[in-house]
Amino acid sequence: NAGVTQTPKFQVLKTGQSMTLQCAQDMNHNSMYWYRQDPGMGLRLIYYSASEGTTDKGEVPNGYNVSRLNKREFSLRLESAAPSQTSVYFCASSEASISNQPQHFGDGTRLSIL
Amino acid sequence: KNEVEQSPQNLTAQEGEFITINCSYSVGISALHWLQQHPGGGIVSLFMLSSGKKKHGRLIATINIQEKHSSLHITASHPRDSAVYICAAWFEDSNYKLTFGKGTLLTVNP
Repeated sequence: NAGVTQTPKFQVLKTGQSMTLQCAQDMNHNSMYWYRQDPGMGLRLIYYSASEGTTDKGEVPNGYNVSRLNKREFSLRLESAAPSQTSVYFCASSEASISNQPQHFGDGTRLSIL
Repeated sequence: KNEVEQSPQNLTAQEGEFITINCSYSVGISALHWLQQHPGGGIVSLFMLSSGKKKHGRLIATINIQEKHSSLHITASHPRDSAVYICAAWFEDSNYKLTFGKGTLLTVNP
């Protein structure tokens, strides 16, 4: 089973460029999440989608947009990349957005903004 | 404010030692999660608990709701246990959101 698949795994951008990080899950999960992980900090939620057709802001949404394309796919877009967005980005999914459901993570996208 | 604190930040052990990683949180929670992140970066969910104790192989997780504290124990540690262990809390006033600790880097030497 593939689980949660993120593409690309690595990317280098110049300031001001745009790009979309892709995420797909094959577990028929309803909820999907985008996190960023920075040195010395815990994972922080950027956006989440509790169910197909809905998206909501998390803790650090500024500079990002998301699209829940269908039940399987949840993309994260950087419209105008900034050096502060250099980070490792993780997509995750869970059966539902409730406290006792485990979240399944992708392998991460390492993004550098020059 | 919803906060999760882990200790220690770094832990080095010899193979075979008993390991304890601690997690404390600020206010009431619905559930506490323990996750493992290997050097390659992948994150795996280990446990979810809202009370008592859970065991999986050599890993044991406990939680004390009154003291707002959880521990992850590893018995008979092995070099393959080397990883970052992350505690995350689902706070009762949360809106679909886990709050993560900064992680504990465990290194087990042979």
